[in-house]
Amino acid sequence: DGGITQSPKYLFRKEGQNVTLSCEQNLNHDAMYWYRQDPGQGLRLIYYSQIVNDFQKGDIAEGYSVSREKKESFPLTVTSAQKNPTAFYLCASSIGLAGNIQYFGAGTRLSVL
Amino acid sequence: AQSVTQPDIHITVSEGASLELRCNYSYGATPYLFWYVQSPGQGLQLLLKYFSGDTLVQGIKGFEAEFKRSQSSFNLRKPSVHWSDAAEYFCAATIMEYGNKLVFGAGTILRVKS
Repeated sequence: DGGITQSPKYLFRKEGQNVTLSCEQNLNHDAMYWYRQDPGQGLRLIYYSQIVNDFQKGDIAEGYSVSREKKESFPLTVTSAQKNPTAFYLCASSIGLAGNIQYFGAGTRLSVL
Repeated sequence: AQSVTQPDIHITVSEGASLELRCNYSYGATPYLFWYVQSPGQGLQLLLKYFSGDTLVQGIKGFEAEFKRSQSSFNLRKPSVHWSDAAEYFCAATIMEYGNKLVFGAGTILRVKS
């Protein structure tokens, strides 16, 4: 089945630790996205990538980093610089840009120990 | 700045009653518009989309939405709600000039009374 796989489903971070959230898609989509979801705030864009080896900051990129070495994979690292990382993180992909439908993974819930 | 507003944080309806969830957008041009649904702890599922043409759009699970340019609105409707429709609903928008960067509303939580 084609889709987007996010792992792990739950993740815990200690103070000063970097953690990496995985996102893999087998839809052959060019574009991939990372969103952060907080209660009552909808989804906010962290980073997005249109093609391999290229990515752009979204609205709340500070404290996060990404890479896009393969078309299928777009991992997100939450660095120690992100002081309030507790949230639900959603990865999405689309065929391309300009109005194409974004398809979402099931999300990763990150909490701070 | 571009924005999407969902005025209702929570809505409670009785099973079998009709439903309307409101969405307003603020863009310089007509955006592409979407409604997504999210069950607790899950990802988002697309219900329907509006790109152009017929202003009444049919989606999955019996939902429809109407685009009204004069009111900058894209309200979601369902004639008869089922208990399984209880979830959070998000309206989203994007325009070509901004690639595919979706701007989401804050969401509306739907509760269904039996």
